[in-house]
Amino acid sequence: AQTVTQSQPEMSVQEAETVTLSCTYDTSESDYYLFWYKQPPSRQMILVIRQEAYKQQNATENRFSVNFQKAAKSFSLKISDSQLGDAAMYFCAYRGNTGNQFYFGTGTSLTVIP
Amino acid sequence: DTAVSQTPKYLVTQMGNDKSIKCEQNLGHDTMYWYKQDSKKFLKIMFSYNNKELIINETVPNRFSPKSPDKAHLNLHINSLELGDSAVYFCASSQRGGSDTQYFGPGTRLTVL
Repeated sequence: AQTVTQSQPEMSVQEAETVTLSCTYDTSESDYYLFWYKQPPSRQMILVIRQEAYKQQNATENRFSVNFQKAAKSFSLKISDSQLGDAAMYFCAYRGNTGNQFYFGTGTSLTVIP
Repeated sequence: DTAVSQTPKYLVTQMGNDKSIKCEQNLGHDTMYWYKQDSKKFLKIMFSYNNKELIINETVPNRFSPKSPDKAHLNLHINSLELGDSAVYFCASSQRGGSDTQYFGPGTRLTVL
């Protein structure tokens, strides 16, 4: 089974600064999809950004961008100009091209310091 | 319109009781899931249904029984509740294969006393 590893249980960042959350995964598939989800204290799981493995260009969504390194099986999330509302649990997730199952990492708790 | 809805959002009950959580999605997806999130925030897949057919059935006590009356609904029934069942339960949906992402319901916080 595929595994997703988030090696940083907790991270903190000063407001307006940039922070990078790391994620690595293990797979033998060539086509797959990677996701970052945000879970604020409200507990709602919110999709932040998505990356297709066949695309070399890194996905970006406003202040959120990824650094996708396919050969290294690495998928980090960069949050620029951090805001207080970015404080949340962040989950990295993997999905194969044909399967139904999503594999989640153990999450990184991000604190934003005013 | 809510894409994935769950009821109830909070459930407090005594040990030994039987309870159900309902889930509905209006996204037209063919696959639905139940996850359990424990106090450490770990998300664990429990079940998945594709077009009413059970396709993922992780190691879960048989006190947990999912039911999918149609592809837009996936309910979770729990018999003989135990203290260790206290958690947040998430329903989610997606489209099988392809690049579609997974959409989550708001979660149901279950507390067993």
